[in-house]
Amino acid sequence: NAGVTQTPKFQVLKTGQSMTLQCAQDMNHEYMSWYRQDPGMGLRLIHYSVGAGITDQGEVPNGYNVSRSTTEDFPLRLLSAAPSQTSVYFCASSRDSPNSPLHFGNGTRLTVT
Amino acid sequence: GEDVEQSLFLSVREGDSSVINCTYTDSSSTYLYWYKQEPGAGLQLLTYIFSNMDMKQDQRLTVLLNKKDKHLSLRIADTQTGDSAIYFCAESVRYSSASKIIFGSGTRLSIRP
Repeated sequence: NAGVTQTPKFQVLKTGQSMTLQCAQDMNHEYMSWYRQDPGMGLRLIHYSVGAGITDQGEVPNGYNVSRSTTEDFPLRLLSAAPSQTSVYFCASSRDSPNSPLHFGNGTRLTVT
Repeated sequence: GEDVEQSLFLSVREGDSSVINCTYTDSSSTYLYWYKQEPGAGLQLLTYIFSNMDMKQDQRLTVLLNKKDKHLSLRIADTQTGDSAIYFCAESVRYSSASKIIFGSGTRLSIRP
């Protein structure tokens, strides 16, 4: 099993560009989520999904969109990148809710200039 | 509000015990977690404790929970160089239609020879 796979590993964007961070899991997990990790701030929840077709906002959703058309995939879209979105992004999934252990991808390091 | 706090750095000598401390604010937490992050990787679940327990031991790891003081600690016995990493404390809290995990800022553990 590959677990949680994130692509790309690294990305540089100019302010105003858009892009999609990909996340896929092969564990048939219902719950998927996106976090951003910034120095000294831990991980902050951006969006999450409790199953296909269902998404909801986390603590810091502004500037990001998500969709969950399949159980396996949970892409994160930046519509118009800003320097404040420079961060490391982690996708995580769990069996049914975040009370089950979270499995993390290896992260995407995004720089917005 | 929800907050998880931990110190940013800890340095221990190889072979000694490491104790990483964490405080949290949400008294309704059901699970408390310790995650480990190695360089360039995502977070891996180390261990977790249910809120009605006060101690859990798993090989070299001991978790202590003081629910009255909202204090969680992770003790690593016989610390090895492979234990160098960032350790995140996390709690599960109710949020909107589901639970979510709140992470601390992480404690960077370094090992001295």
